[in-house]
Amino acid sequence: QVQLVESGGGVVQPGRSLRLSCAASGFTFRTYAMHWVSQAPGKGLEWVAFISNDGSNKYYADSVKGRFTISRDNSKNTLYLQMSSLRAEDTAVYSCARDPGLDVWGQGTTVTVSS
Amino acid sequence: EIVLTQSPATLSLSPGERATLSCRASQSVSSSLAWYQQKPGQAPRLLIYDASNRATGIPARFSGSGSGTDFTLTVSSLEPEDFAVYYCLQRSKWPLTFGPGTKVDFK
Repeated sequence: QVQLVESGGGVVQPGRSLRLSCAASGFTFRTYAMHWVSQAPGKGLEWVAFISNDGSNKYYADSVKGRFTISRDNSKNTLYLQMSSLRAEDTAVYSCARDPGLDVWGQGTTVTVSS
Repeated sequence: EIVLTQSPATLSLSPGERATLSCRASQSVSSSLAWYQQKPGQAPRLLIYDASNRATGIPARFSGSGSGTDFTLTVSSLEPEDFAVYYCLQRSKWPLTFGPGTKVDFK
């Protein structure tokens, strides 16, 4: 079945880096654009980043621009989010979602930024 | 960026009642608006895309309407499993933005 599984979350100190992964299965990954979305504890959804199916187009939320980088490896059916210069306010569950429509979501991986 | 405002913040209703949720955009998003349902501990679920199209497998009691800046999600008769938080998302312009959500809870 169609599935997205995130990994790579954890506890990290402010200013450090972390790379999240999203493994896709059950569909032709290389033909779909993808998104990352975050949700801070007890808060609403926040869109983070987008990448086109071939990786040629990328867009970011203003809050992460210059610090986060979205990428993908279509040969491995995997989406990535490289997070650097992490801040306490980046603490959230990060989920990947399939475009168009963000119709398929993973369960998310938790990132906690704390000293 | 386009700001989405959802009202009310909380809607207290009973099963069988009609729910009407509003999403207003700070500028026109044409029909590029989607609705999602999220239950505690679960991933969001796409309900409506392009303002009025039900996603695959979504019951007919869910309907969306509107265009431009004003949108409505209607649940014609609430089932117990419909009590959740609902978010709108605009995908007209980058960056994409979500509304703050409307919680539908039991009266």
